[in-house]
Amino acid sequence: EVQLVESGEDLVQPGGSLRLSCAASGFTFSNYAMSWVRQAPGKGLEWVSAISGSGGSTSYADSLRGRLTISRDNSKNTLYLQMNTLRAEDTAVYYCAKAWSNWGSSGFDSWGQGTLVTVSS
Amino acid sequence: EIVLTQSPGTLSLSPGERATLSCRASQSVSSSYLAWYQQKPGQAPRLLIYGASSRVTGIPDRFSGSGSGTDFTLTISRLEPEDFAVYYCQQYGSSPYTFGQGTKLEIK
Repeated sequence: EVQLVESGEDLVQPGGSLRLSCAASGFTFSNYAMSWVRQAPGKGLEWVSAISGSGGSTSYADSLRGRLTISRDNSKNTLYLQMNTLRAEDTAVYYCAKAWSNWGSSGFDSWGQGTLVTVSS
Repeated sequence: EIVLTQSPGTLSLSPGERATLSCRASQSVSSSYLAWYQQKPGQAPRLLIYGASSRVTGIPDRFSGSGSGTDFTLTISRLEPEDFAVYYCQQYGSSPYTFGQGTKLEIK
């Protein structure tokens, strides 16, 4: 059974930084691309970033590029999202999601339970 | 960036009725790389349909997807109480992999 467990939930001041983690199990982690998707309180889903199975290719939402870095450690079956210069509008539940391919055109067939990031002074 | 517009924003129906949800793209979605997700309060989204019309294993056959190009539809043939939720379409043909704003399906 695929399991994705996010961690890193925190209250952060504007301008601060935070790293989220997603521990994966139940599948061969390195074979699949992974993404982060976020959802602001009471709002819809917003794709944030994706990384290929090897970690060699990444993609970011244009509005977030430059403030985020997605990475993965296939030896630890863990996905990361480093977020810098956080703003109030970054407040959201952040989900990690598993793609059904190694890279390229793929939706998400498994999701974590989400971790809440709150940016406030 | 491909913008997805879902309609209606809210759909009020009764159990047993048929639901038709629309997703329109601002440009053609390549190879019908369009997915539908269901999200219930406090839960993560769940994949229902991929490739515009392929149902995920385990999803009841009352759920069906159709469409191509810029117009896509999710149909729930006969609503069950557990189907009342928010539904999102997503295109995954080109980055950024955008979502629609969602359709809330509520009990009338």
